[in-house]
Amino acid sequence: TQLLEQSPQFLSIQEGENLTVYCNSSSVFSSLQWYRQEPGEGPVLLVTVVTGGEVKKLKRLTFQFGDARKDSSLHITAAQPGDTGLYLCAGAKDSSYKLIFGSGTRLLVRP
Amino acid sequence: NAGVMQNPRHLVRRRGQEARLRCSPMKGHSHVYWYRQLPEEGLKFMVYLQKENIIDESGMPKERFSAEFPKEGPSILRIQQVVRGDSAAYFCASSLLGEGTEAFFGQGTRLTVV
Repeated sequence: TQLLEQSPQFLSIQEGENLTVYCNSSSVFSSLQWYRQEPGEGPVLLVTVVTGGEVKKLKRLTFQFGDARKDSSLHITAAQPGDTGLYLCAGAKDSSYKLIFGSGTRLLVRP
Repeated sequence: NAGVMQNPRHLVRRRGQEARLRCSPMKGHSHVYWYRQLPEEGLKFMVYLQKENIIDESGMPKERFSAEFPKEGPSILRIQQVVRGDSAAYFCASSLLGEGTEAFFGQGTRLTVV
C-alpha cells in the first residue's frame, strides 16, 4: 500500500515554464519533507513543513502543507535545467523518526 | 565535508556472497537510519539505530539482513548470501535527535548482485 501518492510521475517541460507537483495521502502526517535526488546521489532535503496550511518559499520553489496535513504541493516558478531531478515527498506520522516516501516525480527541464 | 559518508559507493557481489555497507553519520549525530531504494521507486525504511542499540528493525527482512551501530566506528548493514533481488541502492541517514527531527542522507551504496 502506497501511503503517499505523488503526481505526476513524470514531467517534461521547457525552461521558463511553471509547474506543480502533488503529494497526496489519506493519512495525517505530523510533518512532511521534500527532497530532490539526482542520478547516483542521495536525497537532498529541500524543506520540512509541520503546520497545516503552512507555506514555505525557497527562491523559486514554493511548498505548501494542506490544512488537514494529508497533502502537500511543490510549485516551481520559471523552471531551469538545474531543477531537473527526482522530487520526493516523505511524511512522518506522530512525530515518528520513520519517513514514508512517495514514489517520486521525475522532472526534466529542457533548455 | 561533515556530511553522511557511505562506502563503498558501488558494490558488486555474486549470488551467495556477503555484502557489507558502511555509514558514518554526520558529526555529532547519534541516530542512524537505513533505507533501500529499488529502481524507479521511493525509499523504504529498513532499520533505525542509536549507538549500540537497534530501536526499530521493522522494515528489515528477517533473514540474511542485520545492522549494527557500535560505540566506535560506522554503522554497518550486512546482507548475507545475497540474491539478485537484493540489488538496489541502500541509503543511510542520520539525525541529531530521534523523533521529529530532520534526517540527512548519504550518497548511497549501489549494490549489484550478479
